[in-house]
Amino acid sequence: AQSVTQLGSHVSVSEGALVLLRCNYSSSVPPYLFWYVQYPNQGLQLLLKYTTGATLVKGINGFEAEFKKSETSFHLTKPSAHMSDAAEYFCAVRGYSSASKIIFGSGTRLSIRP
Amino acid sequence: GAGVSQSPRYKVAKRGQDVALRCDPISGHVSLFWYQQALGQGPEFLTYFQNEAQLDKSGLPSDRFFAERPEGSVSTLKIQRTQQEDSAVYLCASSSQGPGANVLTFGAGSRLTVL
Repeated sequence: AQSVTQLGSHVSVSEGALVLLRCNYSSSVPPYLFWYVQYPNQGLQLLLKYTTGATLVKGINGFEAEFKKSETSFHLTKPSAHMSDAAEYFCAVRGYSSASKIIFGSGTRLSIRP
Repeated sequence: GAGVSQSPRYKVAKRGQDVALRCDPISGHVSLFWYQQALGQGPEFLTYFQNEAQLDKSGLPSDRFFAERPEGSVSTLKIQRTQQEDSAVYLCASSSQGPGANVLTFGAGSRLTVL
């Protein structure tokens, strides 16, 4: 069975500081991994995804994540936080089949201090 | 359409009422998923369709929940005899086959409040 654990339900950083949101997954086979962002009263928007190939993936809005199989991690980073990054972030895992459901973590709320 | 459309965006129901939530996926998307997102939680899987076939309904919390997609496009999630614990945002997502199959595109959700 697949599962996702997001460490820290709330992260607060200063504007311009490094953003690091942690995600660990468990899967019996190499999975697809995703980060989604959710702004208030909006749906989930895909930030980035890992499927195969390069383990460092770049997404929208300057975010990136690195797939580390040995650590079963897929942490999300951004070098310099912006006020507009304040939102809820969800890490997710999915199997290979198109019928596989996405399993989401419980989310991390990112706050940005001026 | 250009995106996944859900209606109504907001629904208030009295306990015991039936509700129906509609999802209009991206045109041509074969796969359609329903998720339930309680306040402060991550989305939880409810059910999955491939075209008109409901291939997985393991996440439906009770027999009061029913979903259909009769023509393989629009889907309806129905909740009978609503309870307060049904209050949540219900998210619909769709995906294509082939190279795009691993990415789900989500709608904005339908927020259900049961009084």
